[in-house]
Amino acid sequence: DAKTTQPPSMDCAEGRAANLPCNHSTISGNEYVYWYRQIHSQGPQYIIHGLKNNETNEMASLIITEDRKSSTLILPHATLRDTAVYYCIVRDYFGNEKLTFGTGTRLTIIP
Amino acid sequence: SQTIHQWPATLVQPVGSPLSLECTVEGTSNPNLYWYRQAAGRGLQLLFYSVGIGQISSEVPQNLSASRPQDRQFILSSKKLLLSDSGFYLCAWSVMMTGKLNTEAFFGQGTRLTVV
Repeated sequence: DAKTTQPPSMDCAEGRAANLPCNHSTISGNEYVYWYRQIHSQGPQYIIHGLKNNETNEMASLIITEDRKSSTLILPHATLRDTAVYYCIVRDYFGNEKLTFGTGTRLTIIP
Repeated sequence: SQTIHQWPATLVQPVGSPLSLECTVEGTSNPNLYWYRQAAGRGLQLLFYSVGIGQISSEVPQNLSASRPQDRQFILSSKKLLLSDSGFYLCAWSVMMTGKLNTEAFFGQGTRLTVV
């Protein structure tokens, strides 16, 4: 019951922008969209989160559609070190402590 | 700054043996704590989470158990391991800010358990 749908895998050329989509059509008004990534044999790493406005930080940008039913994580200039599994999660920001991951998107950066 | 410690990094145990994995968090108080398992080539499965000392919620029926004897200590245990318990075990923490806003979660480096 991860509540998100992501493509299982994607490739992106090194130096290009990687655009990772996520569908969350049943998202409720109290839920944020979070993105994490997991590099092989490591624990997941937080990337970014947002509610309804687009967000940007030093790692990535998050674009959320106006109806909030989908979002896109953008890695502006992908490097080989960005090869990882990327997880999109929706999480209630009030009082719901459970954090559930789906199967994510395996992003491979091609040299 | 906050840090999370998880040990051991790797573990090989025979079927039927007990298990104890420990996770501790430093630099924060009253964190939410989580145990996840990741089988080879699979996604993250939430096993247990805890919002306070002695408060454990179980997500998946199994032969594993969790305990939280102290605020920043979370222990995953089994009395008798099965082959299917092999996997990558991850501990994580997050905090609930004023107004019950949950922050992002931070993960340990994991324990790779092989049951033989």
